[in-house]
Amino acid sequence: AQTVTQSQPEMSVQEAETVTLSCTYDTSESNYYLFWYKQPPSRQMILVIRQEAYKQQNATENRFSVNFQKAAKSFSLKISDSQLGDTAMYFCAFVVAGGTSYGKLTFGQGTILTVHP
Amino acid sequence: DTGVSQNPRHKITKRGQNVTFRCDPISEHNRLYWYRQTLGQGPEFLTYFQNEAQLEKSRLLSDRFSAERPKGSFSTLEIQRTEQGDSAMYLCASSLDLGYEQYFGPGTRLTVT
Repeated sequence: AQTVTQSQPEMSVQEAETVTLSCTYDTSESNYYLFWYKQPPSRQMILVIRQEAYKQQNATENRFSVNFQKAAKSFSLKISDSQLGDTAMYFCAFVVAGGTSYGKLTFGQGTILTVHP
Repeated sequence: DTGVSQNPRHKITKRGQNVTFRCDPISEHNRLYWYRQTLGQGPEFLTYFQNEAQLEKSRLLSDRFSAERPKGSFSTLEIQRTEQGDSAMYLCASSLDLGYEQYFGPGTRLTVT
């Protein structure tokens, strides 16, 4: 079974600064994908960034980037130039590729990020 | 295409009543997932459809829960004899194929009184 752990229940950052959210996972699989999802207050979950495990290069999406350390099973999210609209709950999620996982996501407990003006 | 839609957005029911939720996935997506999210927690997988076939069910899905996806289009999730512990946000997501990101709907918030 796969597990995803987010050890930071809450984080805060000043507008325009940089913040890093941590995520670790545990799996015996070698082929998988990792995601960060954002869930703003009372709004639906949206995908922030995706990382394929077979790719060594860290994914980047505008102000969002990841630090993927496969051996350490670590997948952190860095948000640069934080904006007020980044305030949300952030979830790290894992999916096994192939086999009988059927693509179901396993989520961490979430990190509440608050961006202060 | 406006994305994944779910109805109703909110449902308040009394314990013991039956409720049904509907999910309309993105039209070309053949994979559909149901998750349950309680306050302050990450979503937990409930069940998965590939087209009209229900291929996996979580142990969280007790006998009181049933899901369908007739004709591989929209899906319904029914909870019979609701209990207070069923109070949660029920999320639907769809995707094209394995490895693609899942797109989530806004969820149906169920409150059982």
